[in-house]
Amino acid sequence: DGGITQSPKYLFRKEGQNVTLSCEQNLNHDAMYWYRQDPGQGLRLIYYSQIVNDFQKGDIAEGYSVSREKKESFPLTVTSAQKNPTAFYLCASRDRGLDGELFFGEGSRLTVL
Amino acid sequence: EDQVTQSPEALRLQEGESSSLNCSYTVSGLRGLFWYRQDPGKGPEFLFTLYSAGEEKEKERLKATLTKKESFLHITAPKPEDSATYLCAVQAHNQGGKLIFGQGTELSVKP
Repeated sequence: DGGITQSPKYLFRKEGQNVTLSCEQNLNHDAMYWYRQDPGQGLRLIYYSQIVNDFQKGDIAEGYSVSREKKESFPLTVTSAQKNPTAFYLCASRDRGLDGELFFGEGSRLTVL
Repeated sequence: EDQVTQSPEALRLQEGESSSLNCSYTVSGLRGLFWYRQDPGKGPEFLFTLYSAGEEKEKERLKATLTKKESFLHITAPKPEDSATYLCAVQAHNQGGKLIFGQGTELSVKP
């Protein structure tokens, strides 16, 4: 079955450590997105990529980095520069470029101790 | 600035008690409005896309409508399994495909 796989589902890290969240899709979608979700807040866009080897900053990119070396993969690194990294992270992809719905993965919950 | 506001923040219904969720938006040229359902600890699940004022879409007990300023998600005779958080998002023209989400409405349906 086609879909988006995020891993790990739960991740605990010490303050000051970089962590990388994996996102893989087998939907053959060109565009991929990373969102952050905090309790009581809407999803906020971190980074997005519309094509391989290209990506753009979203609304809250500070303290995060991404790469898009393959069409099916869009990993997110949460760096030590991110001041409040504990959150639920959602990866999504989209067919047809700028139109159509986003398909979401199951999310990764990061807790920084 | 493009904005999406959902109300109420939380809604408790008895099974069979119909109601509506509201999504008010301010956007510089609407390209599409999206409704999603999200269960606790899960990723959002797509429900509907609406593109122009007057458009309506239905799926089982859910019906989404759109005006120039807001969208409603009507829930008819809800069941406990409809309990979830419902998210609204808008996409504007010339924004590179970005979706702006509201904070969601948490719906609880009691038997």
